[in-house]
Amino acid sequence: LAKTTQPISMDSYEGQEVNITCSHNNIATNDYITWYQQFPSQGPRFIIQGYKTKVTNEVASLFIPADRKSSTLSLPRVSLSDTAVYYCLVGDSPNAGNMLTFGGGTRLMVKP
Amino acid sequence: GAVVSQHPSWVICKSGTSVKIECRSLDFQATTMFWYRQFPKQSLMLMATSNEGSKATYEQGVEKDKFLINHASLTLSTLTVTSAHPEDSSFYICSASGSRTDTQYFGPGTRLTVL
Repeated sequence: LAKTTQPISMDSYEGQEVNITCSHNNIATNDYITWYQQFPSQGPRFIIQGYKTKVTNEVASLFIPADRKSSTLSLPRVSLSDTAVYYCLVGDSPNAGNMLTFGGGTRLMVKP
Repeated sequence: GAVVSQHPSWVICKSGTSVKIECRSLDFQATTMFWYRQFPKQSLMLMATSNEGSKATYEQGVEKDKFLINHASLTLSTLTVTSAHPEDSSFYICSASGSRTDTQYFGPGTRLTVL
């Protein structure tokens, strides 16, 4: 199983760019990397998914180096509403078991 | 994006009663649905995986006779907590996937409080 390791918490200020790195040294060839955001008392919300290099959408960017042993979620110009827990998951499909194991996540606190 | 709903959003019940939680995929057909439990300040823990028309697969340590899961259609799965006790109080979250290669989309969660 591709286990993930993330920082427990991070602090930032409004308007700054935030980069959250996830380590997944045992990632398999067929594995994708998916990031979710969770607010208190809400279900996780899909942010972004990627396999290699760089993926960008309207919310975030995901950077994946060539060896794919880590990935970085980049949130541009964060606001107070980005305060949440961010989870990195690795797996080849939702039914692959290893995609369904949530690690501890990173608790991001955005300050004014 | 894909939308998943849950009902109710919160429920309070007495110890010993049963509670049913519904999970619906609103704009796609979910071949697989998942049920998670989350305690305060903790991460999500997978309880079971259900495929439409077949029996659910439970994770180790999850009592299948206590947490009954039914996935009768491609848009609806239900979780019934039978004979609920205070230790079953938790945040229950479902997710749905439309295909083997699709990502999971999560519902908003259901807060269960057992008195």
